[in-house]
Amino acid sequence: GDSVTQMEGPVTLSEEAFLTINCTYTATGYPSLFWYVQYPGEGLQLLLKATKADDKGSNKGFEATYRKETTSFHLEKGSVQVSDSAVYFCALQMEYGNKLVFGAGTILRVKS
Amino acid sequence: EPEVTQTPSHQVTQMGQEVILRCVPISNHLYFYWYRQILGQKVEFLVSFYNNEISEKSEIFDDQFSVERPDGSNFTLKIRSTKLEDSAMYFCASSERSKEKLFFGSGTQLSVL
Repeated sequence: GDSVTQMEGPVTLSEEAFLTINCTYTATGYPSLFWYVQYPGEGLQLLLKATKADDKGSNKGFEATYRKETTSFHLEKGSVQVSDSAVYFCALQMEYGNKLVFGAGTILRVKS
Repeated sequence: EPEVTQTPSHQVTQMGQEVILRCVPISNHLYFYWYRQILGQKVEFLVSFYNNEISEKSEIFDDQFSVERPDGSNFTLKIRSTKLEDSAMYFCASSERSKEKLFFGSGTQLSVL
């Protein structure tokens, strides 16, 4: 079935470091891809998305490019801040339905 | 920004008891969802609801589960006879239209003892 695999955390970085969180997917069709973020005590929030191959989603300094050839959607940020500390979830949505299929989530801790 | 509200934030129940988890989706949204996350595991889809009926459900969503939109504002998830393995964080979500952005609530932590 359709699935998402994320790198395991926690990831601990110093402020202003470069961030990469890896995400790969398995799907039978052509999914849309998403990154959601969950700050402590809050619900999941959409961070960015891409709906087709080679699309780049971006928001708040985060970027991810939909790579069909490697079935990947890695999240990157050039310079992280303490306020970026959260749990990051990669997800896919198939073209024929509305449900999201999530990865396990990656905890990011940024220290000052 | 409008938000999805879930109550209670924590619920403790005895095995075999019925529980109802409540959600108030964003007022103009038409699609409603429940997801859950067992500690240390993935966020899993349970069910989607549109036009007063279930539009999609997962294998997890068996006869012990039901959803209802009893009035114009609430969306509930009922577990008829809870099991230990139902202990999880339950997230409600809503979207305005099909394929649109999902807005999630902050979750209800259910503990079955």
